[in-house]
Amino acid sequence: ENVLTQSPGTLSLSPGERATLSCRASKSVSNSYLAWYQQKPGQPPRLLIYDVSRRATGIPDRFSGSGSGTDFTLTISRLEPEDSAVYYCQNYGSSWGTFGQGTKVELK
Amino acid sequence: EVQLVQSGAELKKPGESLKISCKTSGHIFTSYWIGWVRQMPGKGLEWMGIIYPGDSDTRYSASFQGHVTISADKASSTVYLQWSSLEASDTAMYFCARHRRPIYGTGDPFDVWGRGTEVIVSS
Repeated sequence: ENVLTQSPGTLSLSPGERATLSCRASKSVSNSYLAWYQQKPGQPPRLLIYDVSRRATGIPDRFSGSGSGTDFTLTISRLEPEDSAVYYCQNYGSSWGTFGQGTKVELK
Repeated sequence: EVQLVQSGAELKKPGESLKISCKTSGHIFTSYWIGWVRQMPGKGLEWMGIIYPGDSDTRYSASFQGHVTISADKASSTVYLQWSSLEASDTAMYFCARHRRPIYGTGDPFDVWGRGTEVIVSS
């Protein structure tokens, strides 16, 4: 099992600013099996990015993913008010799928 | 449209048994892995396990192995999560979710989610 550590815990930014969220794995991620989810209060998570950098269906292009090995990044290029949420990374592998502890993005 | 409709909230006592459900529609039930994810109050997401309804192949996280059972019923296109003896620490929201790709191996993200079933275990 791969342990994922997300940073920062909370990010407080203004609309229009760029958000950079980090996800560090304890072991190298194989097959680029790294995803990002967005979760708003009272809602289930929503898949944003899979296979490190592929956007899921219907996800705006202001969301992008990058990285390799053990270090990965979710970037929101221009924050919109509706981007206020908790973001989780996930490493999905054979028979398991660990999540990071989450980064909360707050809009000022 | 693919939908995962979960059963309603439950209030149970420690030691009681429970089976919650996730009824799927809009896709070929036997072709997609379906998983369960726990979210304790105010906490993050925890991957519990997955099942492939085509042959009932089931995989569990080490953290949940032996404490819960995941099953599937082809006739009703429904996946279940059950406990034989609940503990207070099982209090959480439980989400079912579908893997993104059909037939693909066990490594895949979840692209469609149910709205969650709240389970409260309290004496």
